[in-house]
Order: sequence, then structure tokens, then C-alpha cells
Amino acid sequence: DIQMTQSPSSLSASVGDRVTITCRASQTISNYLNWYQQKPGKAPKLLIYGASSLQSGVPSRFSGSGSGTEFTLTISSLQPADFATYFCQQSYSTPYTFGQGTKLEIK
Amino acid sequence: EVQLVESGGGFVQPGGSLRLSCAASGFLVSTYYMSWVRQAPGKGLEWVSVLYSGGSTAYTDSVKGRFTISRDNSKNTLYLQMNSLRPEDTAVYYCAREFNKNDFWGQGTLVTVSS
Repeated sequence: DIQMTQSPSSLSASVGDRVTITCRASQTISNYLNWYQQKPGKAPKLLIYGASSLQSGVPSRFSGSGSGTEFTLTISSLQPADFATYFCQQSYSTPYTFGQGTKLEIK
Repeated sequence: EVQLVESGGGFVQPGGSLRLSCAASGFLVSTYYMSWVRQAPGKGLEWVSVLYSGGSTAYTDSVKGRFTISRDNSKNTLYLQMNSLRPEDTAVYYCAREFNKNDFWGQGTLVTVSS
């Protein structure tokens, strides 16, 4: 199975900050990497698919990069609505594993 | 409008069974790959199973031999038959359409396994 490791596990930041979350795969997954945002009591929301493609309707302050085993999610200027938990996921091969999550909190 | 509505969750004793349903509207479940993903209370996301449009399936190791994913095209509904349930299966179960630009998730249904 492919293991997905996110860092950091938690992050405190302020509105307007630039934030980067990293996801590492235990083996190459090409660009089959997705990023989700989840708020309490809600289903995950897709932000980025294919490592760098912005899902329709998602603000352009979100961006993704990387290929192979190293990936990043960047939020260019944090907004109040962005404080949530973020998960990466590989859709290269089953089981389609998720990272453990990064909780983004207000400083 | 695309919708996925899960149902069938509830409270069950260890060793029991439940069948989850995911009723789809706005698209045909038979033309996309569909997954079940679960989330234990306060924990992260865990992919459980997938049913591809061609009919093939896959499962995470911890549910192999106990869970079965299927669909009824006439009802446009995805199912997850869960047998021999364990306390560690306690979670909110989401059905999800693909993991790409066609991504869409239901609101989830809670399964609690406890004596």
C-alpha cells in the first residue's frame, strides 16, 4: 500500500498569511494527488486534483504542485473561511490512501 | 443537479450487519467509479472500497471478506453490505463519485458498532 505523509499535522496562521502544506508518498504516484478541505460535520470538499488542477469553483488563492512523491498545497492569502482540516489523497492505485490531515487554526 | 444521499446507518452490536445505501440523482452511478470512504469520530479519512463502471471492485485490507460493494442500476443506487461488524468500524460513511474533476460526495451516514 502507498503511505501518504502530511506535514505539519497542525498549523497556526493569521488571515492574510501564505501557507504551505506538504504531502509525501511512499512511492511514486505520478500526478494522481488530490487535496481536500474538510470543516467539522461536513463532507470533504475537493480543492485540487491531478496535483495542480484547481477544481471548479475553488478560489484561485489555492494552488497545488509536485509530482512523483513530493507535493504541496499553497494558500496564497489566508481567508477566515480557510481555517479547516486539509487532507491529501493518492488516486494512483488502490487502496486510495489519505494523508493523516493538517489542521489549520487561527493564530 | 447532482446529489448523493446516504442512508442505512445506525447502531449495531459487534458481529452484526448493516447495509448502507447511496441514492444518486443527476447522473448514472453505472458510468462513474464510486467509492465508500469512512471517518471514525475525531479521526482522518479512510478509503474503504471502490466499484468501477466496468464492475470490478477493490477493498481496503481491514474490510476484505466482510464488506461488499455493489450497485443497482435500476435504482441508481450504490450499496455497502457490511457483515461481521467490529467496534473499529464505527465511523461516518461517505459515498463519493470519483476522485478527480468529477468528484462529488454525499453528506455521510453514521455507523456505530458497540455492545
